[in-house]
Amino acid sequence: KAGVTQTPRYLIKTRGQQVTLSCSPISGHRSVSWYQQTPGQGLQFLFEYFSETQRNKGNFPGRFSGRQFSNSRSEMNVSTLELGDSALYLCASSFMGRQYGYTFGSGTRLTVV
Amino acid sequence: ILNVEQSPQSLHVQEGDSTNFTCSFPSSNFYALHWYRWETAKSPEALFVMTLNGDEKKKGRISATLNTKEGYSYLYIKGSQPEDSATYLCAFVIIQGAQKLVFGQGTRLTINP
Repeated sequence: KAGVTQTPRYLIKTRGQQVTLSCSPISGHRSVSWYQQTPGQGLQFLFEYFSETQRNKGNFPGRFSGRQFSNSRSEMNVSTLELGDSALYLCASSFMGRQYGYTFGSGTRLTVV
Repeated sequence: ILNVEQSPQSLHVQEGDSTNFTCSFPSSNFYALHWYRWETAKSPEALFVMTLNGDEKKKGRISATLNTKEGYSYLYIKGSQPEDSATYLCAFVIIQGAQKLVFGQGTRLTINP
């Protein structure tokens, strides 16, 4: 079966620009969450969506936003990019329930110059 | 601030040797703990989802135990092989409106042939 698909894989943007990242979850998974990985911070939770509703948000500025569509696909947007936003952004999908693990995508590597 | 600690940060093991590493997490309000393996240039892959104190899970040569009362989990690899080289992440699952994962910094395992 198809895994979690993230596009694009790599992205180079200039400070001040905005960017949109896309995530298509595994079929049947309605929960989609986003994580940021930077060398010093490890994996940090950004937000989680379920049935088109954001249910949880991490400690990130309002420049980071997201949404989920009726087919469970999710997008993440970062506006007014800063150099510190350079990171690997991972999307994960799962079934609901404590017995389920998450399936991660390969990530989008964002570089802000 | 919720802390999830993994030790050691990195480990070099000879092929054929067995090894283990630790994940420490808060002992109160336990919900679930995940272990993931993350190979370079790939997606994090779920190894185990652990939900009950005393849980022991096994997948081939890899096994994990859970002690929620004292707040730790061990991951064991028996007879290490080069393909075991990866970063092993534990993630403490918390409920804040919805599930979110709080990751440790990971243990970087290198198997020397």
